[in-house]
Amino acid sequence: GIQVEQSPPDLILQEGANSTLRCNFSDSVNNLQWFHQNPWGQLINLFYIPSGTKQNGRLSATTVATERYSLLYISSSQTTDSGVYFCAVERNFGNEKLTFGTGTRLTIIP
Amino acid sequence: NAGVMQNPRHLVRRRGQEARLRCSPMKGHSHVYWYRQLPEEGLKFMVYLQKENIIDESGMPKERFSAEFPKEGPSILRIQQVVRGDSAAYFCASSGTSGETQYFGPGTRLLVL
Repeated sequence: GIQVEQSPPDLILQEGANSTLRCNFSDSVNNLQWFHQNPWGQLINLFYIPSGTKQNGRLSATTVATERYSLLYISSSQTTDSGVYFCAVERNFGNEKLTFGTGTRLTIIP
Repeated sequence: NAGVMQNPRHLVRRRGQEARLRCSPMKGHSHVYWYRQLPEEGLKFMVYLQKENIIDESGMPKERFSAEFPKEGPSILRIQQVVRGDSAAYFCASSGTSGETQYFGPGTRLLVL
């Protein structure tokens, strides 16, 4: 099956810092989503981004499908950004299951 | 527009009992997916259903686990004769059509004593 790797596995930053999270995948994808799992376990949709660039407030994401990676940028981090960030990909149309990476655990220190 | 709803949010069972997890997709969505998250791990796909049909159950254990999405009512994930290794968070997601964004529910945290 498709492999999804995320880096770094852990990241500790001071409030106000910027960060870049990376997601590499081993095959062509038709769907890529970024999620934030907060400390209470809720999964929050951040981006649906199989290709291109999107921005939503302090967050933005870029997927370069031909090179099989995606980046999530978080600017001016806040303590509420803490949690685990997952990248998930769907390999083929009709297959539809999402394969999740192992996540990046982000801790923002006040 | 209500999001994906799951209940119960927390479920405690003793070994050997049955667990029933419910998922109501977003309004207008006909595709339902179940995922399992073991402690400190990412989510793993279990099963994909459309109304009255199981489309892909390749991630679901062959024994003790079953899923359904009836014509009326929520999708049900059923675990018979639970064991401690079944303790996990079970997430349901829904989408409108193939290839669209999957929206996730809040999850059901199952603890097997």
